[in-house]
Amino acid sequence: DQQVKQNSPSLSVQEGRISILNCDYTNSMFDYFLWYKKYPAEGPTFLISISSIKDKNEDGRFTVFLNKSAKHLSLHIVPSQPGDSAVYFCAAKYSGAGSYQLTFGKGTKLSVIP
Amino acid sequence: NAGVTQTPKFRILKIGQSMTLQCTQDMNHNYMYWYRQDPGMGLKLIYYSVGAGITDKGEVPNGYNVSRSTTEDFPLRLELAAPSQTSVYFCASSYRRNQETQYFGPGTRLLVL
Repeated sequence: DQQVKQNSPSLSVQEGRISILNCDYTNSMFDYFLWYKKYPAEGPTFLISISSIKDKNEDGRFTVFLNKSAKHLSLHIVPSQPGDSAVYFCAAKYSGAGSYQLTFGKGTKLSVIP
Repeated sequence: NAGVTQTPKFRILKIGQSMTLQCTQDMNHNYMYWYRQDPGMGLKLIYYSVGAGITDKGEVPNGYNVSRSTTEDFPLRLELAAPSQTSVYFCASSYRRNQETQYFGPGTRLLVL
């Protein structure tokens, strides 16, 4: 049973436009959420995170929105650039003491077209 | 400063063979992790370590063993390889427990035939 779902395997966006990547979760215990970016033949790199006490976190061109009642989060990239073309993973965790477990979604492949 | 290095980059194993995936970090991080990523899926935690001599199971530990004799090295051992272990294996390290501080290696692609 997938606890973190990224229902769009791929997304294509024109350069300069907004990219919106979506993620849904089912486990109510999750209270911390992260987005990772992965290029081919490389390991993932951390992009941005959000705690369940917030509904928005912004870092430059990247903003993550959290809707706890809907168990939904989204990553907005504005403006999108060709270098943003990568696979984006949503991940969730329960941040209690001793917890090291991250649950990942399957990823969304973003293609930014010049 | 190389970060997290993994060897080999790619390996083909026959069913029943054994191998060790190497992981080394030069950032003096206490926390180290092993993940696997199956085709079209997200990463799953296999084992982790919070310091030299201390390891613990993650979500999918069956068929694997780890050891942590030094801060720098965290090898992953596959005993009796099975086709279900065909995957890409990522090692990561962090200086705090928070996953935001994790640095990932480039991965080892393993094919078990």
